[in-house]
Amino acid sequence: ETGVTQSPTHLIKTRGQQVTLRCSSQSGHNTVSWYQQALGQGPQFIFQYYREEENGRGNFPPRFSGLQFPNYSSELNVNALELDDSALYLCASSSGTGTPGELFFGEGSRLTVL
Amino acid sequence: SQKIEQNSEALNIQEGKTATLTCNYTNYSPAYLQWYRQDPGRGPVFLLLIRENEKEKRKERLKVTFDTTLKQSLFHITASQPADSATYLCALDEYNNNDMRFGAGTRLTVKP
Repeated sequence: ETGVTQSPTHLIKTRGQQVTLRCSSQSGHNTVSWYQQALGQGPQFIFQYYREEENGRGNFPPRFSGLQFPNYSSELNVNALELDDSALYLCASSSGTGTPGELFFGEGSRLTVL
Repeated sequence: SQKIEQNSEALNIQEGKTATLTCNYTNYSPAYLQWYRQDPGRGPVFLLLIRENEKEKRKERLKVTFDTTLKQSLFHITASQPADSATYLCALDEYNNNDMRFGAGTRLTVKP
């Protein structure tokens, strides 16, 4: 059973650019959630995908968008990058809605916006 | 507004003592609450889950309590060890959909 993997692990972008982050969910999981974690803060919920549909969204602007694919892997896209977007972006998979369960996190993608 | 507050940014204790971390929430009605451990530069790792109708859960040296009247969860690590040093995050879910909302975390340091 493979765990949650994210890519890239680190990247540097400049203001105004666009970025795509990728996540492969744990085998058997159909739900992926994305979080933004600024230094010294807890993870902030961006959105969740369940069976390829967005299933909840936190307080993030529309320039944060996502996709989930038929194999349940997922992408997070951020357009028009701002300096405050610098953070660790975490992907977490779980076994579906309606059942309380743990989130399995990847190691994150560290984004720096200059 | 909704808030999840963890008692302090940092907690320092001596090896062998019990660490107690607090999580208070406002304007949430969580179906359940979870605690995670996060080491520097790593993703959070799940520790314990407690449902709204449960008062206490234990796992080895860990114990979690959940008081929906006080809107508070306490997380205890007994016989603490330096290897327990990490940031501990509480998270809650209102709708049973694994849409977890996290507190800012408490950084625990256990000194030998």
